[in-house]
Order: sequence, then structure tokens, then C-alpha cells
Amino acid sequence: DQQVKQNSPSLSVQEGRISILNCDYTNSMFDYFLWYKKYPAEGPTFLISISSIKDKNEDGRFTVFLNKSAKHLSLHIVPSQPGDSAVYFCAASFFGNEKLTFGTGTRLTIIP
Amino acid sequence: DTGVSQNPRHKITKRGQNVTFRCDPISEHNRLYWYRQTLGQGPEFLTYFQNEAQLEKSRLLSDRFSAERPKGSFSTLEIQRTEQGDSAMYLCASSLDNEKLFFGSGTQLSVL
Repeated sequence: DQQVKQNSPSLSVQEGRISILNCDYTNSMFDYFLWYKKYPAEGPTFLISISSIKDKNEDGRFTVFLNKSAKHLSLHIVPSQPGDSAVYFCAASFFGNEKLTFGTGTRLTIIP
Repeated sequence: DTGVSQNPRHKITKRGQNVTFRCDPISEHNRLYWYRQTLGQGPEFLTYFQNEAQLEKSRLLSDRFSAERPKGSFSTLEIQRTEQGDSAMYLCASSLDNEKLFFGSGTQLSVL
């Protein structure tokens, strides 16, 4: 039972353009959502998060949008840079439960 | 502090052998997590410790798996009688209370 889904295994975007990565979830108990970025041979690194009481959170070039009614979140990266090429994981958790449930990841490639 | 450290980085073993992995968390972090990642999947939660207490175990953690965190510092994950299906990347993460998780680079296990 995949509770967090990333339906696009890969995405290619021209340098300087906007990258949009999508994530859907099925468990309405989730109330905290995170994006992690992973380079080859490294562990995931935290990128940005959002609580269910918000619908948008911004940090520099990265913005996460949450649509609770659609159980959907997205990560926008603008402008995209070559160093953004990595695998991006969406993750979710809920209050009182410490574990993160991850999606399957989206490989983002930024084309120079 | 250099972050979460995991050893070894790679382990190749024969089916039926026992293996042990070590994780050294960020020194002031009281929570320590183990995740497993297989090819094409996101990290899956295995277990977590608050200080030395193991507070939650996933059903993925069969009785061949045991994790310890003596004195609330480093942690070990042992797999007994390894099977080919145990081949995966084993990731350790730590956090301070319920703040964001910091992951190590993982131990890649190959069971032949």
C-alpha cells in the first residue's frame, strides 16, 4: 500500500526554467510533509517542509505547495540550476508518529 | 561535527552469514532511525530510538534483524542468516526531538 506516490519517475528541465515535482498521498492523517534531495552515493538531505495548517512555504528558489483537499503537494524550483540534478523524495508523517513515509522518488535532470 | 556517519559503506556477504552495521549520529541528537532503501523505491522505515530506548519497529523488521543503541550514542543493526532479499541500502538518520532528520550516506549490502 503506497501511501505516498510520486508518479513521475523522471523529469528533464532546461536550465533557468521552472521545475515542478508532484506528490500525492492517500492517508488523510498525514499533517507534515517534507521534500528530500538525494545525490548518488549520498544519503537524502532535507530540502523544505510544510505543515498541514499552511498551503505554501518558500525558501529561496524552492517553494512547496499543499492542496489538502486533493491530497497533493508540489515542489517548485525556480530558476533551475545544474546542481539541482538529483533524485527528489516526497515524505509525510503525522503527529505522534515519528516515522516518515517516503514516495518512490523523481529523478530531476537539469539540461544546461 | 561532520554529520551522521555509517560504517561500512559497502558490505558483500554470502547468504546465511551474519552482518552488522554501525551508525554514529550527530552528537547532540537524541533520536536515531534506521531505514532501508531498495532500487527504485524510497526509504522505508525500520525502527527508531529515543536515547537508548527502541520505541517503534516496522513489521519489515523480521526476527532476523536486531538493532541496539547502547547508552543512547551509536547504534548497530545486525542481520542474522542473511537472505538475498536483504540486499539494499541501509540508511541511518538522527534528529533532535521531532526536528528534521539528517541522514548518513548509508551502507550498501549485497547478499550473494
